[in-house]
Amino acid sequence: QSALTQPASVSGSPGQSITISCTGTSSDVGAYNLVSWYQQHPGKAPKFMIYEGSRRPSGVSNRFSGSKSGSTASLTISGLQAEDEADYYCCSYAGGGIVVFGGGTKVTVL
Amino acid sequence: EVQLVDSGGGLVNPGGSLTLSCAASGFSFSSYSINWVRQAPGKGLEWVSSISSSTAYIYYADSVKGRFTVSRDNAKNSLFLQMNDLRVEDTAVYYCARRYCTGGSCYEGALDIWGQGTKVIVSS
Repeated sequence: QSALTQPASVSGSPGQSITISCTGTSSDVGAYNLVSWYQQHPGKAPKFMIYEGSRRPSGVSNRFSGSKSGSTASLTISGLQAEDEADYYCCSYAGGGIVVFGGGTKVTVL
Repeated sequence: EVQLVDSGGGLVNPGGSLTLSCAASGFSFSSYSINWVRQAPGKGLEWVSSISSSTAYIYYADSVKGRFTVSRDNAKNSLFLQMNDLRVEDTAVYYCARRYCTGGSCYEGALDIWGQGTKVIVSS
């Protein structure tokens, strides 16, 4: 049950696009199409952003998109806005009922 | 309004016990799997446990297995996490979170509704 690997921080200017990577193994990200992403502002509960690798739940802006290749998943934020400044976490099913999170990425809007 | 409300956190000595609760409202609680996720101060999210709608399937992270017990009372729309033999490293905000289901399918690791969190501090 090792955590997925994310970059500690990513930054971009307003209007730009940024991508956050999430690297797992053939036992989690690579084995299942069950990667989800969460946004967390300081002092708040996480917000559900992406599921099944690339699908957005109702109400989530289409500026957020997800993808996966092999054992690495990615979250792209397009048209970066000040309100996107937050921590972002990936999450994957790892089989046997186990779920594993990434270490989190702090997104800074310059 | 669909919501989960966490409660029961507090200060406890190492080796002590504590029970967290999660009260659901605004949806059919008995139809959903619920997870516990925790976040240590200044750290990332860590999955702790999950329990299926009927309690047939219960899972734990290795870090809490044998010490924590998850249960639910569907008649009272409530979820519980009994935590025994608490350690300093269990200090965290604990969230209950609902597994996402749509179109007749449910998605492991996809958690759409979260409680506000309840803080557990293990310290002497």
